Amino acid sequence: GAGVSQSPRYKVTKRGQDVALRCDPISGHVSLYWYRQALGQGPEFLTYFNYEAQQDKSGLPNDRFSAERPEGSISTLTIQRTEQRDSAMYRCASSLDPNTEAFFGQGTRLTVV
Amino acid sequence: EDQVTQSPEALRLQEGESSSLNCSYTVSGLRGLFWYRQDPGKGPEFLFTLYSAGEEKEKERLKATLTKKESFLHITAPKPEDSATYLCAVQARNTDKLIFGTGTRLQVFP
Repeated sequence: GAGVSQSPRYKVTKRGQDVALRCDPISGHVSLYWYRQALGQGPEFLTYFNYEAQQDKSGLPNDRFSAERPEGSISTLTIQRTEQRDSAMYRCASSLDPNTEAFFGQGTRLTVV
Repeated sequence: EDQVTQSPEALRLQEGESSSLNCSYTVSGLRGLFWYRQDPGKGPEFLFTLYSAGEEKEKERLKATLTKKESFLHITAPKPEDSATYLCAVQARNTDKLIFGTGTRLQVFP
C-alpha cells in the first residue's frame, strides 16, 4: 500500500475485554514496529518484527500484551483483559529493512472505559 | 541505558526568527539518529537520519547536525507551517528499535 495502515482508528472497549489492533505495513517492508504514545510524549517502544520473527518484545508492559506477524506482513497487537491504564494511542511503523527510516501509520486510539 | 533528552519542551517563534532545537543522547554505540515531525492527530513524519559525528543534512528551512553527544535541528526563517512537534530518536548498534525523546513543540506566529 501507499502507507502504513492501522485499524481501527478508534476503539472504545469495556474494562476486561480483549482487543486486537491491526497494522498493515508498506508493501515489501521487512521491519515492523509497535509503539505506544501518550499525549505530549514521544512514542514508547513495545515490540518489533523482522519478517515474521519477533526480535524484541522487551517493551511490552506485561503478559496481557502480545503481538504476531505470522506471514511477515500484517501484524496484530492483542491486549487481553484490558485495563483503564491501557488507554493510549497505539502506533505501528514499518521500514524497508532494520537500517532504514521507519514510516508511521495514523495510529489506533484505544479507550478503555 | 539508552536515553534521549530534548530541549526546550516548547518554543514560540516569530515568523522569520531562526532558532535551534536540541537532542542530547546517551546510547551504547550509535547506529543512527532520526528526526521526525509530528502534526496534531497525525503519526510522526520522517525528516532526517544522521549516522556519524560531523554529518549534516538539510531540507528546505531545516538543517540537522550531529556530534558525539547531541544533535541540533536548526530552523532558518521559520514559517507558520513549520509549527509542529519535532521528535528525535536514536537507534543503537545492538538493536533495531528506536528510542524517542519527548519532543519539542514548536509554534511559529505570523
